[in-house]
Amino acid sequence: QVNLQESGPGLVKPSETLSLTCTVSGYSISTGYSWGWIRQPPGKGLEWIGTIYHSGITFYSPALKGRFTISLDTSKNQFSLKVSSVTAADTAVFYCARVTGATVAFFDNWGQGTLVTVSS
Amino acid sequence: QSALTQPRSVSGSPGQSVTISCTGTSSDVGGYNSVSWYQQHPGKAPKLIIYDLHHRPSGVPDRFSDSKSGNTASLTISGLQAEDEADYYCCSYAGSNTLVFGGGTKLTVL
Repeated sequence: QVNLQESGPGLVKPSETLSLTCTVSGYSISTGYSWGWIRQPPGKGLEWIGTIYHSGITFYSPALKGRFTISLDTSKNQFSLKVSSVTAADTAVFYCARVTGATVAFFDNWGQGTLVTVSS
Repeated sequence: QSALTQPRSVSGSPGQSVTISCTGTSSDVGGYNSVSWYQQHPGKAPKLIIYDLHHRPSGVPDRFSDSKSGNTASLTISGLQAEDEADYYCCSYAGSNTLVFGGGTKLTVL
């Protein structure tokens, strides 16, 4: 049974860089599968941020403007998300998830989510 | 890349069936059989209930089913139960290794 757990600061100041980590247990991320980040602003819907393949190749939502970076740390069995120049609009619950399927298009295991508030 | 269109809310009585639509374009829903559906209870993480057209993860009741016609995918929940009250989201592959979610639908069990 694979488990995912997000960690990071609950509060970030505007213009700073947000760093989140997803720790995976029960499966070695270097073995296979892909891993993704999704966010959900309070009271709003889900938004796909991006996916990283176990090879390290990354894909991001074209709707976002290049402030997002996903990376793998196979030594710690973790993957991370960095968001630069955050604004209040980045306030959201951030979820990490395992991504799978022939088109790497669905999320079969999710973390519990972590709320990040952007405020001075 | 715009969010897929879902009704804001649907409702039904216990035992009834409800259908939630998810409308996209030929570049996403209509172009691939890679639509997934998620159930999200308040304060909880989403849960995968349907993937890749007609596939249900183990443990998901067969009361949950899906279909697709053109650019619209649909989730049908039959034999509604109180525990089905939740938000439901569709998600589609949109080409070039990208994904797009729907805006979400709130299901109320009357």
